[in-house]
Amino acid sequence: KAGVTQTPRYLIKTRGQQVTLSCSPISGHRSVSWYQQTPGQGLQFLFEYFSETQRNKGNFPGRFSGRQFSNSRSEMNVSTLELGDSALYLCASSPQLAGVPLTYEQYFGPGTRLTVT
Amino acid sequence: AQSVAQPEDQVNVAEGNPLTVKCTYSVSGNPYLFWYVQYPNRGLQFLLKYITGDNLVKGSYGFEAEFNKSQTSFHLKKPSALVSDSALYFCAVRDGETRITGGGNKLTFGTGTQLKVEL
Repeated sequence: KAGVTQTPRYLIKTRGQQVTLSCSPISGHRSVSWYQQTPGQGLQFLFEYFSETQRNKGNFPGRFSGRQFSNSRSEMNVSTLELGDSALYLCASSPQLAGVPLTYEQYFGPGTRLTVT
Repeated sequence: AQSVAQPEDQVNVAEGNPLTVKCTYSVSGNPYLFWYVQYPNRGLQFLLKYITGDNLVKGSYGFEAEFNKSQTSFHLKKPSALVSDSALYFCAVRDGETRITGGGNKLTFGTGTQLKVEL
C-alpha cells in the first residue's frame, strides 16, 4: 500500500497570508490527525478527523482549521499567517472500524515544511 | 492530562554497544505507549507499541522496549547499535480519555532524544 502523502512538501508564505495543506491517508484509513513540529514546542497535536467530523482538537487558535472529505483525504488551513507558524506539519492516518481503532499506531507522512517570512 | 518525559536530549553510543533511550509517562488510566523514530527531513516512523500484555515489547529494526508500571517507564533498547540507528527518537502516549470509547487518536509526544551512534 502507498503511504501517507502530503502536498506540497515545501511552502514559503508571507505574514498575513493563508495556506492550505493537503494529506492523503493510507488507503482504507479513515482517521487522519495533524501535528505541528517546531524546535521550540516539539510535536503538538492540532486536530483529528474521522468520517468527515472533527473528533479531537488541540490547543491552537482558531486560525488553524481543517476538514476531511468523503474519501478520507484531509486538508488543514492556516489563516493570517504569523512568523511562529513556521513549522513542519505532519499528517498521520490510522485504520478504524466504526470509530474503534483496528490498531493503535499511526502512520505519518513526510510532512509539509512551511516557512513564513 | 497525560504527559511524557524524555530526560536526555542526546544519547551517544558506540556501534555494537547496547543502547537505551529513556521515557517516563504520566496518565490517569492504563497507558498506551509508543516509540517513533524520525530521520532528517522525514516524517515519523512507527517502531513499537505497548497496549497490554507482555512487558517486553519487540519492534522494528531490532528495537525493543520495556514497560515498567511501578516506575511509569517505557525505555527503548537495542542490544547492538548501528550507525544507521542515528536519528531522533520520540516516545508518545495515546490520550487515555478517549481510550474507553475507542475513539480518538491524539498522541502526546515527549521532547525527543537525539541518538548518535559512532564507529
